Amino acid sequence: AQKITQTQPGMFVQEKEAVTLDCTYDTSDPSYGLFWYKQPSSGEMIFLIYQGSYDQQNATEGRYSLNFQKARKSANLVISASQLGDSAMYFCAMREGGNFGNEKLTFGTGTRLTIIP
Amino acid sequence: DARVTQTPRHKVTEMGQEVTMRCQPILGHNTVFWYRQTMMQGLELLAYFRNRAPLDDSGMPKDRFSAEMPDATLATLKIQPSEPRDSAVYFCASGLLLWGGQGESEAFFGQGTRLTVV
Repeated sequence: AQKITQTQPGMFVQEKEAVTLDCTYDTSDPSYGLFWYKQPSSGEMIFLIYQGSYDQQNATEGRYSLNFQKARKSANLVISASQLGDSAMYFCAMREGGNFGNEKLTFGTGTRLTIIP
Repeated sequence: DARVTQTPRHKVTEMGQEVTMRCQPILGHNTVFWYRQTMMQGLELLAYFRNRAPLDDSGMPKDRFSAEMPDATLATLKIQPSEPRDSAVYFCASGLLLWGGQGESEAFFGQGTRLTVV
């Protein structure tokens, strides 16, 4: 079974609009962390935001916020006021952290976001 | 800015040759990962280390790949002999990942090594 599911292979959004990129996850571990990365055409992987499973509040970093719905096992990335530079591939990842030594990040297949001027 | 440094950025080699990729993790990070990215398979974990100890290399073809951390400032991924199917982008990432996945956690990637085996 897929641990991380990103159901939107591609999205087109008008500049300045808000964007929500979907991510659902599957784990039986009560303790885990969720990450979002951006991969522009240059190929680098840019860390955007992190959410711990016990965090009481949704994570925010500038224009990025994570809409964490634990009961639904979803961790959607919200980008407010999108910009042309936001065009990239976006990956959701999870680390199950209940057992010491199980820190590997498992990635989804990604969503390609294109911002239209 | 602290960053993960990978060398070389690009490598073209002939089939059968040995390839060594290097990674300098961020100082103070306790975990190092090696990932491979291809169009077909996406991001695959090859190996990871915690406090320099190898914890999981089940994603790595053992007959030709090896990963080591000779010291806290250097991680290496070696392919010997290389094959055309090894052509991919290889990423190193280092992280400060606390027990239980809680608290401040981060994991940063290097810029990758684009390997082409002809």
